[in-house]
Amino acid sequence: QVQLQESGPGLVKPSGTLSLTCAVSGGSISSSEWWSWFRQPPGKGLEWIGEISQSGRINYNPSLKSRVTISLDKSKNHFSLELRSVTAADTALYYCAREGTQMTAFDIWGQGTMVTVSS
Amino acid sequence: EIVLTQSPGTLSLSPGERATLSCRASQSVSISYLAWYQYKPGQAPRLLIYGASSRAPGIPDRFSGSGSGADFTLTISRLEPEDFAVYYCQQYGRSPPLFTFGPGTKVDIK
Repeated sequence: QVQLQESGPGLVKPSGTLSLTCAVSGGSISSSEWWSWFRQPPGKGLEWIGEISQSGRINYNPSLKSRVTISLDKSKNHFSLELRSVTAADTALYYCAREGTQMTAFDIWGQGTMVTVSS
Repeated sequence: EIVLTQSPGTLSLSPGERATLSCRASQSVSISYLAWYQYKPGQAPRLLIYGASSRAPGIPDRFSGSGSGADFTLTISRLEPEDFAVYYCQQYGRSPPLFTFGPGTKVDIK
């Protein structure tokens, strides 16, 4: 059973860069085509940040595109998120997830990691 | 960008009752691209329904999805104590590629 685990700093300074990694365990990251990042600010709904495919295709939410980079490392069996020039509005619970095969939906999620932007 | 609206915002019901949750899109959504999730604080979101009406593996048959066009429904036939949670609908738009979520419906115990 594939499991996902987010990791990274829980506190980032304003104007800094938020960097998170999603480790894939219980299976190969190559076993699924698309992998995504999401976030949920306190008291608000879910927001899709972007996705990366096995073949290197990447799609970002247009609202975040100028500040986001998503990458994938098959050798380490993980994928990563980088969000630059963060502000307090980027404070959120960040999730990684796998898009299920032929589902256009996300069948496996990490537990989430809280990131606070504050000086 | 397609905007999803969910109603009601909160649904107060008792265990054993039927829950009917609505998700309305600002324009037509392909049924292939509509999904429902259950969310409990401190836990990962759980996929319930994809393709508007297909249950995800391991999801009990008391959960069912229906709808087409711009109107979709999640029905929980008989609420179990573990079903009290927030439910989100999600859609995918292809141009540009973008997943969006509704604001959620909270199902709480009456």
